[in-house]
Amino acid sequence: ETGVTQTPRHLVMGMTNKKSLKCEQHLGHNAMYWYKQSAKKPLELMFVYSLEERVENNSVPSRFSPECPNSSHLFLHLHTLQPEDSALYLCASSQRTATDTQYFGPGTRLTVL
Amino acid sequence: SQELEQSPQSLIVQEGKNLTINCTSSKTLYGLYWYKQKYGEGLIFLMMLQKGGEEKSHEKITAKLDEKKQQSSLHITASQPSHAGIYLCGAEPGGSNYKLTFGKGTLLTVNP
Repeated sequence: ETGVTQTPRHLVMGMTNKKSLKCEQHLGHNAMYWYKQSAKKPLELMFVYSLEERVENNSVPSRFSPECPNSSHLFLHLHTLQPEDSALYLCASSQRTATDTQYFGPGTRLTVL
Repeated sequence: SQELEQSPQSLIVQEGKNLTINCTSSKTLYGLYWYKQKYGEGLIFLMMLQKGGEEKSHEKITAKLDEKKQQSSLHITASQPSHAGIYLCGAEPGGSNYKLTFGKGTLLTVNP
């Protein structure tokens, strides 16, 4: 689904670095999501934004900080990450949060050294 | 919390063969999504099932929902190398309309 883009596609960072992941959706949706996908684990929902308001924070450590400046953009700010945070981070969007299909971006492959 | 178990975990088939992937829920299914993922990439939406007995098709892929069994099956007819990838099912727990729970996925390899 090319309607959701993510940058960068790959990121390698040290534990003391600060970086940000960016997601942009071109579908006119009102809800956006961050997911984490680790090897051999189910996809984990991290954050949900609906109309730029955070409606879900799924017990995510504070070293992950989301930001949703408008309904088309979503960021995930990263600082002092741990090696176990290495994973594929996926962004998704949907028309609303109510039983609407979620469309995913290509993901950012994050490696924390 | 709801859990989804997919079977098999991985599957290797010869091109042209039919195959079935199952997704079983530990709780009542209110909505069931099927996605396909190429390794290291995003999920591509395939179809969504909401009603018991519902069946949908997209090209050579058919999915069914059996509410009583709390299960969905994905069937691919005459598989092709382009069908290779990871198939994930996602479900809506009752009362939380956006908090999808996902299975671990089924890795499908299609040998030419």
